[in-house]
Order: sequence, then structure tokens, then C-alpha cells
Amino acid sequence: DTGVSQNPRHKITKRGQNVTFRCDPISEHNRLYWYRQTLGQGPEFLTYFQNEAQLEKSRLLSDRFSAERPKGSFSTLEIQRTEQGDSAMYLCASSSYRGRHTEAFFGQGTRLTVV
Amino acid sequence: KQEVTQIPAALSVPEGENLVLNCSFTDSAIYNLQWFRQDPGKGLTSLLLIQSSQREQTSGRLNASLDKSSGRSTLYIAASQPGDSATYLCAVIGANSKLTFGKGITLSVRP
Repeated sequence: DTGVSQNPRHKITKRGQNVTFRCDPISEHNRLYWYRQTLGQGPEFLTYFQNEAQLEKSRLLSDRFSAERPKGSFSTLEIQRTEQGDSAMYLCASSSYRGRHTEAFFGQGTRLTVV
Repeated sequence: KQEVTQIPAALSVPEGENLVLNCSFTDSAIYNLQWFRQDPGKGLTSLLLIQSSQREQTSGRLNASLDKSSGRSTLYIAASQPGDSATYLCAVIGANSKLTFGKGITLSVRP
């Protein structure tokens, strides 16, 4: 297993465009998390899934953001009508939860620049 | 609401020095605490995970301790090297199942 994989690594888009990011978690992990990180800050929680179910979405997340995890495998994060304030590093993490929280592993992130 | 604090925000030390990075959290009802390393422009690399029932974990030159009752963890780095230069983040996971992060400590090890 090569770990958590995120694509693309970098994305530059014009304001108002839609973008979609993909995350492939470690295969046996049933939990998948999305975080956002801006310069000088720690990662900020966006949403998480257990298998295919989205269990929580941050109240900070506007309706322009949507995430899916069909069949409990890979996940996509879509941002509609991007704004300059959406520029950030988007991080995906996976872990295994079976009554007990285990180590979380992160991908390399997708850096979004909105111009 | 859980809050995680890491102070100072930046640290510069000469090569070979042993150092301690501190992390504090406000809600002691955590399941575990995890330390990460982040290089500029990269994702997070997991260093150590401490379960709530544990007091410490060791990996190579790294040792992390956890004191749940006081809401503190420390990451000890022995014999620091320039390659240790990075940002170190701690995160706690609680009943809400989310990792809550501090802002990190940016470490610079001078040759």
C-alpha cells in the first residue's frame, strides 16, 4: 500500500470556476477526513466519512462545498463557484475505526490557488 | 470546544541539541494524541500516536509523552539534526472523532 494519495497536487483556477479534488485512502481504512490548511495555521476540519456515510460537516463549510465517498472507497471534494478565500492546501486523511481510534495518515495535499 | 496550543510558534537551535516541543489542550477527554511533521508545501507525516491509556511512545530519536489530566504533551527530540527542520504539529482526537490541531512549531536546526 502506497499510503493516502491525493490528486491533483496543484490546481490553479479562475474565480467562479468549479474544482474537484480526489483522495484515495489506505485500502483497509474505513474513516476518511478532509481538512483545509492556510499558511501559518494548523489544519482545519471540513468533513469526515465512515465508509460511505458522511458523518459530519463543519459549520464553517459553505454550501459551495460538497464531498462524496461512493462505495466507501475514494472520496471527492468539490468546490463550486470558487472564491479567492478558498485558496488553501486541502488535505485528506484516513484511519481505521472499529470501536477504537487508530493512527491517522495524511496525503500530500492539493494546493488550490484561485486567481 | 477543544483548543490545542503550541508555544512557541518558532524555535531555532544548534545541531546536536536535545529539545522539547510542547503541546497543551483544553479538554482532557481525548482518545489519543498524535504528533506530525510537515515540510514546507507538503502533507503531514505521522511521527507518533499516543493512546489515552498510555503515558509515552518512542520512535528512534523521538519520544512523546502524554499527561491527560493536565492537558499536556511533549515531543522530545534527541541529538537534533538539520534534517529535523520542519513544522511539528500535535493533534488530539476526542469524542467528536475529529483531529483538532495546534498551529504547529516551526523548528530550525542550524548546522
